[in-house]
Amino acid sequence: SQQGEEDPQALSIQEGENATMNCSYKTSKNNLQWYRQNSGRGLVHLILIRSNEREKHSGRLRVTLDTSKKSSSLLITASRAADTASYFCATGLTGGGNKLTFGTGTQLKVEL
Amino acid sequence: ETGVTQTPRHLVMGMTNKKSLKCEQHLGHNAMYWYKQSAKKPLELMFVYNFKEQTENNSVPSRFSPECPNSSHLFLHLHTLQPEDSALYLCASSQNPGTSMYEQYFGPGTRLTVT
Repeated sequence: SQQGEEDPQALSIQEGENATMNCSYKTSKNNLQWYRQNSGRGLVHLILIRSNEREKHSGRLRVTLDTSKKSSSLLITASRAADTASYFCATGLTGGGNKLTFGTGTQLKVEL
Repeated sequence: ETGVTQTPRHLVMGMTNKKSLKCEQHLGHNAMYWYKQSAKKPLELMFVYNFKEQTENNSVPSRFSPECPNSSHLFLHLHTLQPEDSALYLCASSQNPGTSMYEQYFGPGTRLTVT
């Protein structure tokens, strides 16, 4: 399968805690993106990390990429109830027409 | 708002109906995409258009017919659908990828129910 897999499938934490989600992929893609989707809505781009990058930060988000293990992790620090959503990783190939292969997603619930 | 709008937001149609989904982007992008999101399945890429030209058809059945009259508008014409086609249909746009990779901006989706 070319599709990515996020782990865990579901995660429930308390507000203020950190949330870590992992993504593994099987193809030789060299770019990875993370997206967030609120229930029944469109996806929102969070961060793009390229194959020559190992770590990237954006606000409370920290993404790592290990191309040797074909895996990535998304860390959300100091989570808030508004972070409740599904999170997807998507892989793509530079020069491949921006065709993304999405994973199955992690459902994050942040409770007050 | 992401700058990508989709209409209608909800659609119920019978298997013999013909309907169209519309997507419009206000971001000045040159690439547009249709995705299908079914329950408990990964997002599936259906079609890709770059500068109004179709560059990807991911083995989509012919009962789905895309149309891209210009870089800002994308349609998905539907006819003789099956109940298993019920899903959330998402439109997205991006800069023309060329030799690079860009983030995609998604619309809110059309929730389609085929009865």
